[in-house]
Amino acid sequence: QKEVEQNSGPLSVPEGAIASLNCTYSDRVSQSFFWYRQYSGKSPELIMSIYSNGDKEDGRFTAQLNKASQYVSLLIRDSQPSDSATYLCAVRRDGFQKLVFGTGTRLLVSP
Amino acid sequence: DGGITQSPKYLFRKEGQNVTLSCEQNLNHDAMYWYRQDPGQGLRLIYYSQIVNDFQKGDIAEGYSVSREKKESFPLTVTSAQKNPTAFYLCASSNVGQGAYEQYFGPGTRLTVT
Repeated sequence: QKEVEQNSGPLSVPEGAIASLNCTYSDRVSQSFFWYRQYSGKSPELIMSIYSNGDKEDGRFTAQLNKASQYVSLLIRDSQPSDSATYLCAVRRDGFQKLVFGTGTRLLVSP
Repeated sequence: DGGITQSPKYLFRKEGQNVTLSCEQNLNHDAMYWYRQDPGQGLRLIYYSQIVNDFQKGDIAEGYSVSREKKESFPLTVTSAQKNPTAFYLCASSNVGQGAYEQYFGPGTRLTVT
């Protein structure tokens, strides 16, 4: 079992819809969770970090964390074609500085 | 303008040659990291450093070496012992300590070895 799992996609949504990206992790002592966006050929860009159970909103983005079920999700409201990218989920275990990354979900937003 | 710079953007080398990738940050971050990304794969940690003159192996350190002589700089050497060096190399940095775990990435260096 991979430590951090994401569906590779592509996830296709029409412009204006809500895109829902999911990530599960295996280590129960994981404490910090991050979502990165990576455009083709570019480096990852941090979108959101979440540390506590529940929702965290930032503009069109909402991160949701459920530690009991060991999943974290990213919702993108009013999806735009410019949101088309690969979204990487990253997890940090308690007591460790380093992050473990999933392989990413490719999102395609069609006009 | 704070950020992380990596140079060069593209690098071509012949098999059997060592090559050093540059990473510099002016974010005043204590920790720096090197990752490798292969097509369709996630990021894999090569080395990381939480303080000057100290560094730890990541998950795929074989065939790589690093140094951390200055807080701002964390160069990575890809040696001839690395079996499949062609990849996209990403440098990142972060603060260290409670609640300070967000990592920020440089633009990357695309290395091709033939």
